[in-house]
Amino acid sequence: DVKVTQSSRYLVKRTGEKVFLECVQDMDHENMFWYRQDPGLGLRLIYFSYDVKMKEKGDIPEGYSVSREKKERFSLILESASTNQTSMYLCASSPMDGVNTEAFFGQGTRLTVV
Amino acid sequence: GESVGLHLPTLSVQEGDNSIINCAYSNSASDYFIWYKQESGKGPQFIIDIRSNMDKRQGQRVTVLLNKTVKHLSLQIAATQPGDSAVYFCAEREGKLIFGQGTTLQVKP
Repeated sequence: DVKVTQSSRYLVKRTGEKVFLECVQDMDHENMFWYRQDPGLGLRLIYFSYDVKMKEKGDIPEGYSVSREKKERFSLILESASTNQTSMYLCASSPMDGVNTEAFFGQGTRLTVV
Repeated sequence: GESVGLHLPTLSVQEGDNSIINCAYSNSASDYFIWYKQESGKGPQFIIDIRSNMDKRQGQRVTVLLNKTVKHLSLQIAATQPGDSAVYFCAEREGKLIFGQGTTLQVKP
């Protein structure tokens, strides 16, 4: 079974803290994505990566950075957490465009910043 | 910018009826579309996909229709069951996935 694993289901952090959200996939996929999901706004793309050490900004990159040192791992970093970053964060991976290009999602990390 | 949207935030259907969830997209260059289902507390799960060179694709109890002329995508669920209750997202892909806001399907017993 294909698997995308996010390190935490729930996190509570304080304003100003540096926060790391980790995502690992075991499918040898080239592409990895970070989304946040908020009521009424759907899924919004924060950053994505199409190869090791490569990254591209998504639609809402402000306040976030990412790291992809290894193909299987894609980390989302909140440099200084703020309350408006309270959200559900979803990681996904997909192979390079080809016959099957669906994305597989992790179970999500619900982050609360207090 | 480009966007993908769903027409209704909530759809309520009777168990056993057919459900139709609609989606409009704006990027005419997109050549691949996906429907996802997200149950409470879980990440989105793939349901069915369709490429732009097709106008219909069928799965088990689900059918996706693509109308490129009006840039419209729909998901039909036959004989809707309580287990179909979830949020449904359409997405278009052009390198990255762009999601709509989602439609919550409620199935009444």
